[in-house]
Amino acid sequence: NAGVMQNPRHLVRRRGQEARLRCSPMKGHSHVYWYRQLPEEGLKFMVYLQKENIIDESGMPKERFSAEFPKEGPSILRIQQVVRGDSAAYFCASSPDGTGNQPQHFGDGTRLSIL
Amino acid sequence: QKEVEQDPGPLSVPEGAIVSLNCTYSNSAFQYFMWYRQYSRKGPELLMYTYSSGNKEDGRFTAQVDKSSKYISLFIRDSQPSDSATYLCAMSWGNFNKFYFGSGTKLNVKP
Repeated sequence: NAGVMQNPRHLVRRRGQEARLRCSPMKGHSHVYWYRQLPEEGLKFMVYLQKENIIDESGMPKERFSAEFPKEGPSILRIQQVVRGDSAAYFCASSPDGTGNQPQHFGDGTRLSIL
Repeated sequence: QKEVEQDPGPLSVPEGAIVSLNCTYSNSAFQYFMWYRQYSRKGPELLMYTYSSGNKEDGRFTAQVDKSSKYISLFIRDSQPSDSATYLCAMSWGNFNKFYFGSGTKLNVKP
C-alpha cells in the first residue's frame, strides 16, 4: 500500500498522559499536513511540515501540542498532558510539494479518546 | 463567519437520482477548489480538483466553480448506493499549504 499510513488507528489515553500520533507520507512525498476533525465538523488545519522544518503551524494550539518531521522516519504529532477536549480524529495528509497544482492525499486517521 | 459554509444534510435520494452538493465561501483569494469523499471511519478521498472558475467533469461527477458568487457545486449523476458518504469541499489559495474545509454533507443513496 503506497498511501499515507497513520498509526495507531485508535489511541486511548487518560487525562494528563501523552499521545503520540505517527504519519508516514506517500512514497515520494516530502510535505506533510496535520488536521483535526471533531464529530459533525470539517477538518481543521493544524500544521504543515517539510522534512526537518515546520513551515506553517498557525493552526496548532500554543500549548501542549508539537509536531516534527525528521530526516528519517515518520512525522509525529505529540500532545502532552491530554485533556478531554483533545478527543478527536487526527488526519495526516501529504503532497509531493507545496505548490498549487498538487492536491493533498489523506491517511485514514488516528482516533484519539481521552478517558 | 466561517471561511467555508456547507449544508450538513443529511441528504437522502433514491438510486439513479442526480445529486447536487454545494459550498459557499467568503474569501475571494481562494483559487483551488476540491471535493473529497469520506466514508465512515476512513480518511477523505480526493474526488475532484479544479483551479479558478469553470466546470470539470470526471465520469459521473461534475464540479462547478462560480468565483463571482463565491459558490461551488458537485453534481453526481446516476447516483449509486456506494456513493453514500460524507462529501467535503475544500479550498485554498496560491501557496496551497493550507486547505479550508466545509463541515461536510452526509449523502444517503437508497437502493
